[in-house]
Amino acid sequence: AQTVTQSQPEMSVQEAETVTLSCTYDTSENNYYLFWYKQPPSRQMILVIRQEAYKQQNATENRFSVNFQKAAKSFSLKISDSQLGDTAMYFCAFMKQGGGADGLTFGKGTHLIIQP
Amino acid sequence: DAGITQSPRHKVTETGTPVTLRCHQTENHRYMYWYRQDPGHGLRLIHYSYGVKDTDKGEVSDGYSVSRSKTEDFLLTLESATSSQTSVYFCAISAPGPSDQFFGPGTRLTVL
Repeated sequence: AQTVTQSQPEMSVQEAETVTLSCTYDTSENNYYLFWYKQPPSRQMILVIRQEAYKQQNATENRFSVNFQKAAKSFSLKISDSQLGDTAMYFCAFMKQGGGADGLTFGKGTHLIIQP
Repeated sequence: DAGITQSPRHKVTETGTPVTLRCHQTENHRYMYWYRQDPGHGLRLIHYSYGVKDTDKGEVSDGYSVSRSKTEDFLLTLESATSSQTSVYFCAISAPGPSDQFFGPGTRLTVL
């Protein structure tokens, strides 16, 4: 079984600053996918970014990028030029390759607050 | 946005009553999932379906059953609701293979 750990229950930064959210995971799988989801106060789960474990290049989506360290089983999310609309819960999630039918394993989340 | 709807969006019920939550998709995706979200636990998988009439248990399946008679609908049933099943329930869909999961808007269920 896989486990996903997010060690920061809450973080707060000023608008326009850069913030990094941490995620570590434990698995015996060699091929898998990692995700970051955002959940704003509306409660909608929004996919932010995906990383395939077989890719060495870190994924980037506009202001969002990841630092994927496979050997360390670490998958952090960096948000650059943070905006008020980035205030949300952020969840790290794991999925086995070929395990789409098995669903995602989520961390407990980090509540990110962007201060004006 | 992926075409996923959940009904009802909010429900208050009493202990011991049966409850059915519905997830409906217009994307024709093969895989569908039910998760529950509780404070301090993130989202946990209840049941999933990998095709019509093909379902399996997830991490927290006790007290829940599911059915999928059509590609577009995935039903979650609480046969006899308990207060421990008070939660927010999310449906998700994905295509086979290494595919992203997309989530519905969620249903807030309160069992008194």
